[in-house]
Amino acid sequence: NAGVTQTPKFRILKIGQSMTLQCTQDMNHNYMYWYRQDPGMGLKLIYYSVGAGITDKGEVPNGYNVSRSTTEDFPLRLELAAPSQTSVYFCASGTANQPQHFGDGTRLSIL
Amino acid sequence: QKEVEQDPGPLSVPEGAIVSLNCTYSNSAFQYFMWYRQYSRKGPELLMYTYSSGNKEDGRFTAQVDKSSKYISLFIRDSQPSDSATYLCAMRDRDDKIIFGKGTRLHILP
Repeated sequence: NAGVTQTPKFRILKIGQSMTLQCTQDMNHNYMYWYRQDPGMGLKLIYYSVGAGITDKGEVPNGYNVSRSTTEDFPLRLELAAPSQTSVYFCASGTANQPQHFGDGTRLSIL
Repeated sequence: QKEVEQDPGPLSVPEGAIVSLNCTYSNSAFQYFMWYRQYSRKGPELLMYTYSSGNKEDGRFTAQVDKSSKYISLFIRDSQPSDSATYLCAMRDRDDKIIFGKGTRLHILP
């Protein structure tokens, strides 16, 4: 049972580039989340989804976009990378509205 | 005042000791309380989830909620070196907004 899988694990982007962080879960969870975690800080919610076709903004959505076309996948898109988006990104899933299972994160640096 | 306050530590205790980790909050709308454990370079994992005031026990872990004081605690009995990690509290309100604390780094000394 893979749980929540995030790819890539590491990435370096140049300012202005775009990329998609992939997240997939095999537990048939309805709820999925994207968080960012900066050093010494807690988790900040970027976007979340309560089911396929439904997405909502979290605390810090600016500069990001998401889609949820299937129950399993919840990709996060950065359109114009900025240094402020350097962070560790975590995807999570759950059966009710508390994130239960997290991936191991994507470490993203914008230079 | 921040919605959720958590001492970042680090907190160092000898193996076998009882560990007490705490969070305070200001928003009386918080109804659900969670504790997560995060090992270095890993994602958080949900340890405990509780709704009401009082205690909830799971093995060596006890979660305590005092809504009147807006204070939650996580106790770890018979602490082990493998418990060394960052512990994050989190809280959810009636509108399903979840706020995380910044985490407390815990070191269990063999």
